[in-house]
Amino acid sequence: DGGITQSPKYLFRKEGQNVTLSCEQNLNHDAMYWYRQDPGQGLRLIYYSQIVNDFQKGDIAEGYSVSREKKESFPLTVTSAQKNPTAFYLCASSITPGTQLTEAFFGQGTRLTVV
Amino acid sequence: KQEVTQIPAALSVPEGENLVLNCSFTDSAIYNLQWFRQDPGKGLTSLLLIQSSQREQTSGRLNASLDKSSGRSTLYIAASQPGDSATYLCAGEGNSGGYQKVTFGTGTKLQVIP
Repeated sequence: DGGITQSPKYLFRKEGQNVTLSCEQNLNHDAMYWYRQDPGQGLRLIYYSQIVNDFQKGDIAEGYSVSREKKESFPLTVTSAQKNPTAFYLCASSITPGTQLTEAFFGQGTRLTVV
Repeated sequence: KQEVTQIPAALSVPEGENLVLNCSFTDSAIYNLQWFRQDPGKGLTSLLLIQSSQREQTSGRLNASLDKSSGRSTLYIAASQPGDSATYLCAGEGNSGGYQKVTFGTGTKLQVIP
């Protein structure tokens, strides 16, 4: 079955640690996205990639880094520079770069908690 | 800066009722609008997509409409069921500063009581 998979589902980070969230898709989509969701707020775009080996900052990229070495993978690293990383992180992919909402698929999310 | 407001923030209705969820954009220049469903602790599932040339979409008991002149969209759910309980998010795609941007609403949390 085609889909988009995020792992782990729950992740705990100590202060000062970097952690990496995984996002894999087998939909052959060119575009992939990372969003952050906080209670009472809409989803906010962290980074996006429209093609392999290329990615762009979103609205809240500070303290995060990404890579896009393979079409199917778009891992997100939450660095120690991100001062408030506790949130729900969602990965998405779409078939058409530049038009995010058309045929967009979302993963099931990773809940990151700082301990 | 585009802002999206969803009203109400939470809604509780008895099973069988018809209901309307609202979404409004501060900048009415949006060309794609999508409604999503999110179950607790889960990702988003697309419900209805209204593309630039369309004004409404229907799928089963769901109907979404978009008034581009006012920047308002509504999601109508007919004959609500307990399985409809979830958070509903709208998202609009428009041009912001020369590039395409998607802005999500904060969601309406719906509870349908059996």
